[in-house]
Amino acid sequence: QKEVEQNSGPLSVPEGAIASLNCTYSDRGSQSFFWYRQYSGKSPELIMFIYSNGDKEDGRFTAQLNKASQYVSLLIRDSQPSDSATYLCAVNPGAGGTSYGKLTFGQGTILTVHP
Amino acid sequence: NAGVTQTPKFQVLKTGQSMTLQCAQDMNHNSMYWYRQDPGMGLRLIYYSASEGTTDKGEVPNGYNVSRLNKREFSLRLESAAPSQTSVYFCASDQDSGVSPLHFGNGTRLTVT
Repeated sequence: QKEVEQNSGPLSVPEGAIASLNCTYSDRGSQSFFWYRQYSGKSPELIMFIYSNGDKEDGRFTAQLNKASQYVSLLIRDSQPSDSATYLCAVNPGAGGTSYGKLTFGQGTILTVHP
Repeated sequence: NAGVTQTPKFQVLKTGQSMTLQCAQDMNHNSMYWYRQDPGMGLRLIYYSASEGTTDKGEVPNGYNVSRLNKREFSLRLESAAPSQTSVYFCASDQDSGVSPLHFGNGTRLTVT
């Protein structure tokens, strides 16, 4: 089992809809969670990070973290064609293990927003 | 503000050749990382350096070596390139070892023939 798993998609939504991206992780002690967006041929750029259970909102983006169920999600409201990209979930493993500090990425979900 | 600068942007090597990928950051970050990205596999950590003077293996270190030259610079060396090392390589940095967000360089597209 991969440490961080995402549904690889592709996920296709119409313009104006809500896009829901999901990520599960295996290390129950994980503390830091990140969502990056990557346009084709470009480097990843940070969208949001979340450390605590619950929701965190930033503009059209909402990150949701549920540590008991070991998942983190990203909701994009009022999706725009410019949101079409690959979305990468990243998790910092727990401090008790040898992997602490080594951010682990999921394989990414390709999102397409069609007009 | 340059952020994280990687060189070169593109490189073609023949099997068995060596090369060094250079990375420098000007954000006074403590931690630096080298990732490779292959289609459908996300980003995989090759090596990282939590602070100046320390380096540690990541998920896929075989065939690579690194040097944390100083706080700003972290280089990745391929001693004897293999076709399996054809990939896009990203250098990244952050202030606090995976707790703070990563800042990425623009990437190096390496092809080994």
